[in-house]
Amino acid sequence: DIVMTQTPLSSPVALGQPASISCRSSQSLVHTDGNTYLSWLQQRPGQPPRLLIYKISNRFSGVPDRFSGSGAGTDFTLKISRVEAEDVGVYYCMQATQFPLTFGGGTKVEIK
Amino acid sequence: QVQLQESGPGLVKPSQTLSLTCTVSGGSISSGGDYYWSWIRQSPGKGLEWIGYIYYSGSTYYNPSLKSRVTISVDTSRNQFSLNLSSVTAADTAVYYCARVDIPVALDAFDIWGQGTMVTVSS
Repeated sequence: DIVMTQTPLSSPVALGQPASISCRSSQSLVHTDGNTYLSWLQQRPGQPPRLLIYKISNRFSGVPDRFSGSGAGTDFTLKISRVEAEDVGVYYCMQATQFPLTFGGGTKVEIK
Repeated sequence: QVQLQESGPGLVKPSQTLSLTCTVSGGSISSGGDYYWSWIRQSPGKGLEWIGYIYYSGSTYYNPSLKSRVTISVDTSRNQFSLNLSSVTAADTAVYYCARVDIPVALDAFDIWGQGTMVTVSS
């Protein structure tokens, strides 16, 4: 199985300040079709996960442009340019390049 | 818009079979064959775990760690898909989510999620 490692575990951020979350995979996430299936999910307290980013850097419909994804191969990053109160929650990376699909352990974003 | 809703018992005895259903509303589960219909669970000890998914035609893909105990099926007439997990133990206690993968967008586009249902395994 591909292991997804996220850092940090927790990220206290002041409102309006940027946040950055790293996700590293144990193997390259480049699929045989040439795409890299690495997505980011947000889980607010008491809510199901919500898709933010797919294929490394594609923002899902309705996701604010303060969220951006980048990376390649085995190293990926989610950035929030200016954290807002509604961004509090746990963020997960997920790979769908190889079965079984696997998730990172999550990074908790909280307001400092 | 399309919505997903999980249903099923909240308490299952050890060694029994956990059975959950996900009802799809606002769209057809077999519309154009563009989607995988998935089950994912979340437990405090193991985080998010992909259980498997099914195509409207019945093709299934399972997590090998659960494959011997899992069956995912689809009922297009009822617009539902279901999860059966046999021989459960306390380790299967989790919130179970159903979710949709939009295949034409991307294999990692889990774009719609149900609210989740808590299942506790206990005697």
